[in-house]
Amino acid sequence: EVRLLESGGGLVYPGGSLRLSCAASGFSLNTYAMSWVRQAPGRGLEWVSAIRASGANTFYADSVKGRFTISRDISKNALFLQMNDLRAEDSALYYCVQEGGNYTWGQGTLVTVSS
Amino acid sequence: EVVLTQSPATLSLSPGERATLSCRASHSLANNLVWYQHKPGQAPRLLIYDASNRAPGIPARFSASGSGTDFTLTISSLEPEDSAVYYCQQRSATFGPGTTVDVK
Repeated sequence: EVRLLESGGGLVYPGGSLRLSCAASGFSLNTYAMSWVRQAPGRGLEWVSAIRASGANTFYADSVKGRFTISRDISKNALFLQMNDLRAEDSALYYCVQEGGNYTWGQGTLVTVSS
Repeated sequence: EVVLTQSPATLSLSPGERATLSCRASHSLANNLVWYQHKPGQAPRLLIYDASNRAPGIPARFSASGSGTDFTLTISSLEPEDSAVYYCQQRSATFGPGTTVDVK
């Protein structure tokens, strides 16, 4: 069974950093592209970042470009999102998503940016 | 960056009625479009991939068509449990703003 489990969310001050993790099981991260998607309270889904199955290319929404970095560790079958210079508008539930196969989503990890 | 526009923003219909949801892209996506159903407190659920292919386990009342810049999701006979927000997404990229479907 394919499963994704996010962790690493929490409360952080504006300007701070967080590193989100997504532990994948049931498939290898080098078989599908993976994305991070977020949903702020009362808002729609917002795609944040993606990494190709090969790992050779990464992509970012304009709203996070230069501040967030997506990466993965194939040996641990884990996906990461390093978030720097966090802003109030980055507060959201962050999901990792398998972009293919069953298009599985995790249950999300909550990030709150507030002073 | 591709911009996706969804219409209508809200759809209020009765059980058994047909729902037609539109998604338009600012640039051609070929068939790289997926549709999700999202209910509060749950992770989004894949309905359609590659613009027109129903995902495993999705009821036959859900169908989709389109390619390039114009896409449509149709729910042929609404059930109360179809109340949700429906999003189109360029695969591995931008989401549309969503269409809220209220069935009552």
